[in-house]
Amino acid sequence: QAVLTQPSSLSASPGASASLTCTLRSGINIATYRIYWYQQKPGSPPQYLLKYQSDSDNHQGSGVPSRFSGSKDASANAGILFISGLQSEDEADYYCMTWHGSAWVFGGGTKLTVL
Amino acid sequence: VQLVESGGGLVKPGGSLRLSCVASGFAFRDYYMTWVRQAPGKGLEWISLISANSGYTEFADSLKGRGTVSRDNPKNSLFLHMDNLRVEDTAIYYCARGGRSFLEGFDSWGQGTLVTVSS
Repeated sequence: QAVLTQPSSLSASPGASASLTCTLRSGINIATYRIYWYQQKPGSPPQYLLKYQSDSDNHQGSGVPSRFSGSKDASANAGILFISGLQSEDEADYYCMTWHGSAWVFGGGTKLTVL
Repeated sequence: VQLVESGGGLVKPGGSLRLSCVASGFAFRDYYMTWVRQAPGKGLEWISLISANSGYTEFADSLKGRGTVSRDNPKNSLFLHMDNLRVEDTAIYYCARGGRSFLEGFDSWGQGTLVTVSS
């Protein structure tokens, strides 16, 4: 079982909100993990969005709109990337990442379609 | 911050390749650096990191024993040498900037260099 699991795709309408989940493998407690989020558009390298450990330990990437925010759902053992007021330009692949077992680990990515 | 990779190309299975990444716009000597790759149509895969003073390195299992990461701080350069290349190593290879301290993620990425392993 992968360390980080993301749904492969998600669709939402312009102006709506979207919650992208990043579920930590069973037996690993999300509470102690810092989750990073990246956005990647076709033909471009990934771009850093934000990191989230807790409400008191988080960071927004330079120039990243406040529409993007991070959180955790302890009951689901998951990190969450929340995007409000969806715009067509938000259509992209989104990856979560964390440090586990002496390695950086990425989730498989979620393709967000805004239509 | 600017990161520019080079050195990619077509190589036969079993061959070797050395990738380079030249950094500018920040104090390269103070930052951890990392390599991440992305196979065609696939997700991101972290493969290696190196500390600011080269004293600490880590490799993903997929490249352990076949890869060497190094840096030349006075020349603001990062390197990845890969041996015994396999078809499954075909990917875009990105260098990315880590943090000033350990366990900081990557906040800047290069445009990547394409490595194709094929006979």
